[in-house]
Amino acid sequence: EMQLVESGGGLVQPGRSLRLSCAASGFTFDDYAMHWVRQAPGKGLEWVSGISWNSGTIGYADSLKGRFTISRDNAKNSLYLQMNSLRAEDTALYYCAKDRHIAVAGDFDYWGQGTLVTVSS
Amino acid sequence: DIQMTQSPSSLSASVGDRVTITCRASQSISSYLNWYQQKPGKAPKLLIYAASSLQTGVPSRFSGSGSGTDFTLTISSLQPEDFATYYCQLSYRTPRVFTFGPGTKVDIK
Repeated sequence: EMQLVESGGGLVQPGRSLRLSCAASGFTFDDYAMHWVRQAPGKGLEWVSGISWNSGTIGYADSLKGRFTISRDNAKNSLYLQMNSLRAEDTALYYCAKDRHIAVAGDFDYWGQGTLVTVSS
Repeated sequence: DIQMTQSPSSLSASVGDRVTITCRASQSISSYLNWYQQKPGKAPKLLIYAASSLQTGVPSRFSGSGSGTDFTLTISSLQPEDFATYYCQLSYRTPRVFTFGPGTKVDIK
C-alpha cells in the first residue's frame, strides 16, 4: 500500500526554522517527482515546491521568496522541506504529495495526511 | 501570473442530482487542468487530470471537459460520499505554475 507520512511540524516562533520530512513507502520513490503543498487553516490549497526524481529540477512558489529549500534522499525514500525565516502566514498544514510523473509536472496523485506548522510567538 | 477562478463558490444539491462546477483560467492553458476532491479533515484526492482523464479508481460518474480557458467538472448523479470541496488546479509545466482554484463546496440540500 502506498504511504506518505509527514513529520516535523509544530509550534515555532517567527523568524525561526523548521525542517519537515516525508517518508514514502509502497512505491518506487525514485521513479517520481515529489511536492509540498500547504493549506492554511480554513483556506484553500497552495503549491509550495516540487522536485524531480533525481533532484535535477526544482521549483518553488514565487511567494516563498527563497526562504524554503526542498530536497530528497532516494536511498532513504524521503522528501524534505527546510523552512527558514518563518512568518505567521506560513502557518498551515503541509502535505507531501507524489507526482504522476518522473518530472515536475504538477499532477498530484497521492497525498500524505499532512503535518501542521504553527508560526506564533 | 495565470489566475484560476471557480464557480459557484458553493452549492447545495440532493443525492441523485447532476452537478456541474466551472473553472476558468485567465489565459489559455491548453488541457493542463486537474480536479481534486477534499473532504473535511482529509487530504485532497485527484479525480481528473489533463482536463478529461479519469484517475484510476475514481467512479465514472465524475467527468471533466474543456480546454483553453474554460473547464467543467461534472458529477452525473451525486452520491452521499461526494459532498466535499472541489478544487481545480493548473498544471502548466513551462514555467512551473501549479496554482489551485479557490474551491467549490458541495453540500447537502
